[in-house]
Amino acid sequence: RKEVEQDPGPFNVPEGATVAFNCTYSNSASQSFFWYRQDCRKEPKLLMSVYSSGNEDGRFTAQLNRASQYISLLIRDSKLSDSATYLCVVNGPNAGKSTFGDGTTLTVKP
Amino acid sequence: NAGVTQTPKFRVLKTGQSMTLLCAQDMNHEYMYWYRQDPGMGLRLIHYSVGEGTTAKGEVPDGYNVSRLKKQNFLLGLESAAPSQTSVYFCASSSSMVVGNIQYFGAGTRLSVL
Repeated sequence: RKEVEQDPGPFNVPEGATVAFNCTYSNSASQSFFWYRQDCRKEPKLLMSVYSSGNEDGRFTAQLNRASQYISLLIRDSKLSDSATYLCVVNGPNAGKSTFGDGTTLTVKP
Repeated sequence: NAGVTQTPKFRVLKTGQSMTLLCAQDMNHEYMYWYRQDPGMGLRLIHYSVGEGTTAKGEVPDGYNVSRLKKQNFLLGLESAAPSQTSVYFCASSSSMVVGNIQYFGAGTRLSVL
């Protein structure tokens, strides 16, 4: 079993739709969690950190469920520019130990 | 706003050739990382460094060596390239774990080994 697992998709949604991605992790000692966005042939960039209480940034909402060991990302009112691959990242307790999921691909269509 | 700079951006090697990828960061970060990304997959950690003069193995270290002689630079070496090392290589850096270890990435090096 992979340490971090994501549904690879692809998710194809119309503009304005709401879409949610889940990510599960296996190490219960994991300490911090993030969603990164990666555009085609580009480097990953931080989208948002994920906090235990849940957090929102505009149309994006991230949540963490430590008991079930998963994090989620909700995108409301999808835009064409949201089309990208979304990477779940889980940091372990040891320095330098970041594990990336394989990514979920989202395509938003007109 | 240079951030993390990788050189070269593209390279084609023949099997058995050697090369060094350079990563430079200007954010005074302690931690630096080398990842590889194969098509349709996430990033896999090759080696990382928690400070100048220190390096450690990641998930897929075989066939690679690294050095961190200066805090701002992290070098990745391929001594004898193999076709299996064809990939996109990303360097990243981050500050102390205290602030949650957000990683900042370079633009990547696309390497083909023939």
